[in-house]
Amino acid sequence: QQQVKQSPQSLIVQKGGISIINCAYENTAFDYFPWYQQFPGKGPALLIAIRPDVSEKKEGRFTISFNKSAKQFSLHIMDSQPGDSATYFCAASTVGDYGQNFVFGPGTRLSVLP
Amino acid sequence: NAGVMQNPRHLVRRRGQEARLRCSPVKGHSHVYWYRQLPEEGLKFMVYLQKENIIDESGMPKERFSAEFPKEGPSILRIQQVVRGDSAAYFCASSPPTGRNTEAFFGQGTRLTVV
Repeated sequence: QQQVKQSPQSLIVQKGGISIINCAYENTAFDYFPWYQQFPGKGPALLIAIRPDVSEKKEGRFTISFNKSAKQFSLHIMDSQPGDSATYFCAASTVGDYGQNFVFGPGTRLSVLP
Repeated sequence: NAGVMQNPRHLVRRRGQEARLRCSPVKGHSHVYWYRQLPEEGLKFMVYLQKENIIDESGMPKERFSAEFPKEGPSILRIQQVVRGDSAAYFCASSPPTGRNTEAFFGQGTRLTVV
């Protein structure tokens, strides 16, 4: 399993602010980069995902920025809301001989203050 | 259209007992991943299985832990002689057998408490 680094470990943002979470990888074979959102007591759920052939993907208030040359990608949450308070995991995957392999970052705990 | 089903949701075991955690993947998915999540921490990869095969078990402790995904039935994560340090949430995810850029679907997890 190749490592995916994620920062910060925790993040506190005021309501209406921008939350930014960064991830970095080393394995250039990774070709799919999903972000998962996990609320307390629940399993992670897919939030948004990007492929390396695009530099940005936006879905509502959530945007992924992807820098292939730097092997970095980030999640931006615009107009952050208290309901966004959760743990966010970036991931990277590639298709191996037996199927798709996922590697997760360690997670970022986001708290949005009202 | 059931998602990944894990049971039990909560499991309490005394030290030295065995814990069996079950995961039924999304219908048609043949790949299963097990992750462990300690309180206040991220997801730690344990094992990646395909039907009847262990593809990658690099995250599994060498002793007491085993996993299987038989041809029929759910995937099982088995922890023998549990210790307090095994207390954690264990998540299972599944993905389809083929295709690129497909989502891994997670279950709700099994919260194991060792007393």
